[in-house]
Amino acid sequence: EDQVTQSPEALRLQEGESSSLNCSYTVSGLRGLFWYRQDPGKGPEFLFTLYSAGEEKEKERLKATLTKKESFLHITAPKPEDSATYLCAVQAQGFQKLVFGTGTRLLVSP
Amino acid sequence: GAVVSQHPSRVICKSGTSVKIECRSLDFQATTMFWYRQFPKKSLMLMATSNEGSKATYEQGVEKDKFLINHASLTLSTLTVTSAHPEDSSFYICSAPKLAGENEQYFGPGTRLTVT
Repeated sequence: EDQVTQSPEALRLQEGESSSLNCSYTVSGLRGLFWYRQDPGKGPEFLFTLYSAGEEKEKERLKATLTKKESFLHITAPKPEDSATYLCAVQAQGFQKLVFGTGTRLLVSP
Repeated sequence: GAVVSQHPSRVICKSGTSVKIECRSLDFQATTMFWYRQFPKKSLMLMATSNEGSKATYEQGVEKDKFLINHASLTLSTLTVTSAHPEDSSFYICSAPKLAGENEQYFGPGTRLTVT
C-alpha cells in the first residue's frame, strides 16, 4: 500500500529562519511526487512536481528535492505569508490518483 | 486564476436531507475528476474518481449509494451526499488534471458541509 508520512506535524519559525519539511514515502513505482500549499478553508494550491531521484525545483523561497525514499521542502528566509499547511502527495505508476500525507502546519512569526 | 470551481462554498443541511456539490473545470475539459474529503487537521482522502460518461470508481470503504457522483459533461461533475448525517460533515474538495493523462491536478476551493 502506498504511504506518505510528513514531519514535523507543526513547525513554528521566526521570519528569516530557514528550515526544511520532510516527506517520506513508499510507493509501488513512483510516477510523481507533488507538493501543495493549503491555506485554511481553501483547496490545495499546486507548488511542485518531482519525478526522479536527484531532481530539484525552486520557486521563490521554496526548493523541493527528491530521493528514492523522501522529499524535502526547503524554506529559505521565510516570511509570515508563507504560513500555511504544506501537503506532500505521491502518484504511483499507472494511476492518476494522489495519496496525501497529513501535512506540516507552518507558522512564521514576524 | 482558478482553473477549477466548486459550488456552493459552504452549505448547512439538516440530518436526513441530501446535498449536491458541483465541481466545474474552467476553460478546459476534464474527462476525469477526483473527489476528496478532508476532516479537520487531517489529510485529503480520495473518495472516488469521476469519469465522464461512465460510472465513478469508488475507493474502498466509500459507500457509492450514499455519495452519488455524476459526470455528465466534460466540464461538470457533481457529488450528492444522500441522507446526510452529522458524521458526513467535512470539507469536500474536487480536482482535475488540466490535460488528459497529465500528472498535475488542480484543486477546487472546497465545499464546507455541516450537517445538523
